[in-house]
Amino acid sequence: AQSVTQPDIHITVSEGASLELRCNYSYGATPYLFWYVQSPGQGLQLLLKYFSGDTLVQGIKGFEAEFKRSQSSFNLRKPSVHWSDAAEYFCAVRGRAGNMLTFGGGTRLMVKP
Amino acid sequence: DSGVTQTPKHLITATGQRVTLRCSPRSGDLSVYWYQQSLDQGLQFLIQYYNGEERAKGNILERFSAQQFPDLHSELNLSSLELGDSALYFCASSETGLAGVNEQFFGPGTRLTVL
Repeated sequence: AQSVTQPDIHITVSEGASLELRCNYSYGATPYLFWYVQSPGQGLQLLLKYFSGDTLVQGIKGFEAEFKRSQSSFNLRKPSVHWSDAAEYFCAVRGRAGNMLTFGGGTRLMVKP
Repeated sequence: DSGVTQTPKHLITATGQRVTLRCSPRSGDLSVYWYQQSLDQGLQFLIQYYNGEERAKGNILERFSAQQFPDLHSELNLSSLELGDSALYFCASSETGLAGVNEQFFGPGTRLTVL
């Protein structure tokens, strides 16, 4: 069965600092990988996705993520965090033969002024 | 705005009751998914419908059921509600229900509180 681990439950960074949110997955082959963001009281918005090809993927709002097969990781990065980035971030995987998304537990990002 | 709509936004009810949550997918999307987000279990996949037919089932309780109608909107029915059913219920939709490259777009959710 597929699973996703987000080791950091909470992360606090200063505005303007760089950010890396960790995501590790367990799956027998290369899955489809996603990062979603959930602002308070909002639904989930897709930040970026990896299906195949270039392992460094660009997303919206200046985010990027890198797929590393050898480490079963798909970490999310942003070079300079803005106060509006404060939210909860979810990594998700989907098997290539199925449709259901399996989510990690989420990482809550707080941004200090 | 993802284009997926869910009603109601909030629902407060008592234990033992039954409620219906409604979802309208994005225009042109044939597949609808339901997810539950709770403090205990996190975000969990419940069930998927594609063009009116059940396609995949996840951790959905027997007290819960869903259907997708000919106009492609979907309803999630929760019965004999328990305190532990309090959660945020998301609907998502995608263009197809087939395996492969397709994204799921999420609605704003329905927050269910069982008292």
